[in-house]
Order: sequence, then structure tokens, then C-alpha cells
Amino acid sequence: QVQLEQSGAEVKKPGASVRVSCKASGYSFSSYYMHWVRQAPGQGLEWMGVSNPTGGGATYAQKFQGRVSVTRDTSTRTVYLEVRGLTSDDTAIYYCASICGADCPFDHWGQGTLVTVSS
Amino acid sequence: EIVLTQSPAILSVSPGERVTLSCRATQSISSNLVWYQQKPGQPPRLLIYAASSRATGVSARFSGSGFGTDFTLTISSLQPEDVAVYYCHHYHNWPSLTFGGGTKVEIK
Repeated sequence: QVQLEQSGAEVKKPGASVRVSCKASGYSFSSYYMHWVRQAPGQGLEWMGVSNPTGGGATYAQKFQGRVSVTRDTSTRTVYLEVRGLTSDDTAIYYCASICGADCPFDHWGQGTLVTVSS
Repeated sequence: EIVLTQSPAILSVSPGERVTLSCRATQSISSNLVWYQQKPGQPPRLLIYAASSRATGVSARFSGSGFGTDFTLTISSLQPEDVAVYYCHHYHNWPSLTFGGGTKVEIK
């Protein structure tokens, strides 16, 4: 079955960077986009960016342009999210997900990774 | 950027009542709309895609409708297990996505 396994919780100091990984299994990894969505405590879902399945490129929400990088390693079926210049506002659960859009109803989410930014 | 506005923010409903949630776009998104259900401590779960198609395994209590800018998620008879936050998102500018702010459904 489809599984998206994310790396464990992180605690970072303001100004630091964090990298979260998402390892996919059970489907054709190279056929689907992989999105990153975050959710601050008690808040809604916020789309950050997406790894394109071909060509290795990524598309980002304007809010995160220049501060976030999404990369894909096809050999290990893993997608990475890096966030730089962390502030307390970046404290959130970060989800990787192959989200229903052009490929509906294919829709699968990772378990989420809690990133806490605190001095 | 196409913005999605969900209303109301919070809905308190008695068991067995009909529930209607709204998701409105600032410009036409055709039928490129998805509805999710999210319970505490869980990632979102797909309910409806292409505005009105029910995902596999989703109860027939849930239905979606709409086209263009106005969309509705209806729960025909609220059950206790339906308590959750419901989000819409559009994929009109795929692969970019935009989520609505969510509607919290509570039991009265």
C-alpha cells in the first residue's frame, strides 16, 4: 500500500535551518507530484511548495520563495523540505503529501513532522 | 492568486441534522475543488474531488456540489464521528494549491 514515512520531530533555535524528509513506497514515485503543507498549532493548512515528478524542479508558494527548498532523490524515493532562517512562526507540523489535483483521486499524506522553533 | 473563503468558521449542529458548508473562490475554478476532513492529531482525509465526486470509502452522507466560484459540502445527517475541521482546496493552477481557512463542525 502507499506509504509516506516522514522523519522525526525537530527542535531548532531561531535563525537555524531544518530539513525534513519523506520516503515514499507502494506506488510509482516518478509519476506523482509531492507537496509540502504545514499546519501551525490550532491553525489551518498552508501549502508551501511541490516537487515536480520529472526534471527535478519545484514550485513554491510566493510566501516561501527564497527561504524554502524542495528536492527529490529518485534513487531513494525520498523528497526533502528545507526551511532556512527559522522563526517561532515556523513552529508547525509539516506534512508531505501526494495531493489530489490533476491525479485525483490519488491522495496520500505522511504522518507529519513537528518542528519546534524555540530559543 | 485565487483565494478560497470558507464559511462559517464554526458550526454547532445537533446529531442527525443536515450540515451545509460553503467554500467560495475569488474567481472561477471550474470544478477543480477538493474537500478534506481533518480530525485532531491526524492528517487530512480526502472526501470529495472534482467538486462532487466522492472518494473511495467515504460515507454517502457526504456530498459535494458547485461549479465556478461557489461550492458546498453537505453532510446529510450529522453523526458524532463527523466532528472535525473541513477544508477545501483548489487545483485550478496545478501543481500550485490553495487551501481555504477551514470550517470546524461541532456537536451541539
